Amino acid sequence: NAGVTQTPKFQVLKTGQSMTLQCAQDMNHNSMYWYRQDPGMGLRLIYYSASEGTTDKGEVPNGYNVSRLNKREFSLRLESAAPSQTSVYFCFTQGRYHSPLHFGNGTRLTVT
Amino acid sequence: DQQVKQNSPSLSVQEGRISILNCDYTNSMFDYFLWYKKYPAEGPTFLISISSIKDKNEDGRFTVFLNKSAKHLSLHIVPSQPGDSAVYFCAATGVFFGNEKLTFGTGTRLTIIP
Repeated sequence: NAGVTQTPKFQVLKTGQSMTLQCAQDMNHNSMYWYRQDPGMGLRLIYYSASEGTTDKGEVPNGYNVSRLNKREFSLRLESAAPSQTSVYFCFTQGRYHSPLHFGNGTRLTVT
Repeated sequence: DQQVKQNSPSLSVQEGRISILNCDYTNSMFDYFLWYKKYPAEGPTFLISISSIKDKNEDGRFTVFLNKSAKHLSLHIVPSQPGDSAVYFCAATGVFFGNEKLTFGTGTRLTIIP
């Protein structure tokens, strides 16, 4: 998964705490996505960004905010973490139309 | 509403035999399909894709078949190898979805038995 870096790899939060998941890519891709993976639910889209400065909601955006201040970085913020947000979070990027996604290695988040 | 379904959460196959992973979709607007493979603690990696204008695409040991009338696609791995043990996700998208938001299935865990 060279080219897409997610930080942190692991995080434990208490209910109500906030944190930001970072994603950075060096492939000059326009599109970036945040997904969460939960058992039995597959990968579900939280937010995506078609280009710098634009973001749109995905399938499960509630409880999250995102920021795409430049082409390289796309951050996901949890303002007030809830146990339901315990999940593995993946950042993707995509180049040209219909090209495969490039994934980060994921952030495993536990909210107690 | 699960638009992309992988009804088998797990599958075990003997090494050297064929592995067949299935995926069904409900939205007729999907026109492009992809398979991803995921090892534990890693992000998914792209395997193979197919456009709706085709019914088969082959890449080495991997072949994807698409049956549009049945809204069904399958991934065949021949011969199966121990390194193929992983979780496999199918995904679908289409021009209709604008920014190409992928819709993923729930995954099938494939175990290759030596």
